Amino acid sequence: AQTVTQSQPEMSVQEAETVTLSCTYDTSESDYYLFWYKQPPSRQMILVIRQEAYKQQNATENRFSVNFQKAAKSFSLKISDSQLGDAAMYFCAYRSAWSDMRFGAGTRLTVKP
Amino acid sequence: NAGVTQTPKFRVLKTGQSMTLLCAQDMNHEYMYWYRQDPGMGLRLIHYSVGEGTTAKGEVPDGYNVSRLKKQNFLLGLESAAPSQTSVYFCASKAGALYNEQFFGPGTRLTVL
Repeated sequence: AQTVTQSQPEMSVQEAETVTLSCTYDTSESDYYLFWYKQPPSRQMILVIRQEAYKQQNATENRFSVNFQKAAKSFSLKISDSQLGDAAMYFCAYRSAWSDMRFGAGTRLTVKP
Repeated sequence: NAGVTQTPKFRVLKTGQSMTLLCAQDMNHEYMYWYRQDPGMGLRLIHYSVGEGTTAKGEVPDGYNVSRLKKQNFLLGLESAAPSQTSVYFCASKAGALYNEQFFGPGTRLTVL
């Protein structure tokens, strides 16, 4: 079964600085999708960014970008120019054509003013 | 559009009681999901539905039942609640098989005493 591992339960970053959240996954499939979701204190799950495994180019959404290393099965999220509103739980998730969405345990990000 | 809504937002049950959580979406989505979120474990899939009248088991289905009598609604039932079912429950929907993004509801916090 596919598993998603987030090895950093908590991270902190100074406002305006850059932080990278780690995610690794285990799969034997070649075609799949990876996601980062943000969960602020309101509990609402918000899609931050997604990456298709067949695309070599790393996805970017404004201040959020990923470093997708398919051979290493690594999918890290970089947040640039961190803002107070970025403070939240961040979940990495995996889905293939043949599997349900699998989530990691999450990383709690604190942003210090 | 309201998106995905969940009723109720909070509930406290005694062991052995039953209840139904309601999820509604107004986006005409085919797929709907129920997850539970526990500390340190991310989201885990309980049951899902790929269309009106269909349901299927996810990763942690025991102790729960679901129904999808109408396309816009997905009900999660607990027939005899147990303290192990204390959790935050999320509903999500997706347009169809070829779509990746799941849209989440705001969650229901359930406590079983």
